[in-house]
Amino acid sequence: DQQVKQNSPSLSVQEGRISILNCDYTNSMFDYFLWYKKYPAEGPTFLISISSIKDKNEDGRFTVFLNKSAKHLSLHIVPSQPGDSAVYFCAARPTGNQFYFGTGTSLTVIP
Amino acid sequence: GAVVSQHPSRVICKSGTSVKIECRSLDFQATTMFWYRQFPKQSLMLMATSNEGSKATYEQGVEKDKFLINHASLTLSTLTVTSAHPEDSSFYICSAPDGTNTEAFFGQGTRLTVV
Repeated sequence: DQQVKQNSPSLSVQEGRISILNCDYTNSMFDYFLWYKKYPAEGPTFLISISSIKDKNEDGRFTVFLNKSAKHLSLHIVPSQPGDSAVYFCAARPTGNQFYFGTGTSLTVIP
Repeated sequence: GAVVSQHPSRVICKSGTSVKIECRSLDFQATTMFWYRQFPKQSLMLMATSNEGSKATYEQGVEKDKFLINHASLTLSTLTVTSAHPEDSSFYICSAPDGTNTEAFFGQGTRLTVV
């Protein structure tokens, strides 16, 4: 049972434009959310996180939005750069240590 | 930031042999580590939770006798794929939450190919 879902397996965006990656979750007990970036044959690297007490967190070109009522979060990258091309995973956890991951969205930024 | 080191990054082994993958937390202690497996074009699937000083907790469908996990110290967890078969070929990744549980740090991953 996939508790964290990323319904778009891939996304292509022109360089300089905004990339929006979406993530939905089913478990209302999730209280912390993260986005990871992954290049082929490497482990995921942390990108940005948000606590359930917030609805927005911003770090440079990356902003994560959380809509708790809709159980939805999104990652905005603006402006998108070719180096942003990677697979992006969202992750969520309830109180405790275990993180649940989405299926990933492969982002391609076209120069 | 905290670093998790995973070794080896790539391994090719013959069918029927065993392979050990190490996961180390380099500058923090990890009482818990997680082992994931990723199939092509799929998400990271949690295989098991490694607990320092006690038995690992396996997810449903993961064979305990095939994927042996040992968490002998606060900085090292190992995953041993026993009697490997070609269908075990995959990308294995470990992770450890930091002390404040605000982030999970990942190893670099191990590409296992069983021939």
